[in-house]
Amino acid sequence: AQKVTQAQTEISVVEKEDVTLDCVYETRDTTYYLFWYKQPPSGELVFLIRRNSFDEQNEISGRYSWNFQKSTSSFNFTITASQVVDSAVYFCALSDNSGNTPLVFGKGTRLSVIA
Amino acid sequence: GAGVSQSPSNKVTEKGKDVELRCDPISGHTALYWYRQSLGQGLEFLIYFQGNSAPDKSGLPSDRFSAERTGGSVSTLTIQRTQQEDSAVYLCASSFRFGVNEKLFFGSGTQLSVL
Repeated sequence: AQKVTQAQTEISVVEKEDVTLDCVYETRDTTYYLFWYKQPPSGELVFLIRRNSFDEQNEISGRYSWNFQKSTSSFNFTITASQVVDSAVYFCALSDNSGNTPLVFGKGTRLSVIA
Repeated sequence: GAGVSQSPSNKVTEKGKDVELRCDPISGHTALYWYRQSLGQGLEFLIYFQGNSAPDKSGLPSDRFSAERTGGSVSTLTIQRTQQEDSAVYLCASSFRFGVNEKLFFGSGTQLSVL
């Protein structure tokens, strides 16, 4: 069965600190996609990244980076030099062909960046 | 508009009343999804529509919940005889088509409060 676990419910950091948000997933499928979405206080989830199961290269986009490790079924997200605007709820999600659910989300990690 | 539009943004109702939540997806998107976000529970899939195919209702929590999509565009989620446990944020999303690698675009949600 599909499952996404974000063990960190809430994280609080001081501005300019680096922070890593953990995501562990379960799937029986060999072809799947992993996503991260950001939900700012406005409520609208914003797409951050999509990664397919055949591409384990780490990705960097500005202050954001993602570490995909199939061996540990993890897709962790790191924010470098955090800023107050990074404060939001971050969701990791999984999409595969093994179930009917289009996108399975974790419970989210609430990140608070304090000035 | 350019994004997914949901209305109302807030709805307060009394237990036992029916409510209708509306979603206007991005023009040209054939897939439309409803999710529910409860405090501490992450995003729970409810239902999705793909083109003219029969919707996948596998996530609807009870027969009090129903949804329709008229003309392949606007969707309405109806909750009959609302209960206090229905209080949550109801999020709508759309994508160009339904597929394992599709990126979802979300609306800002409807905050439903059942008193």
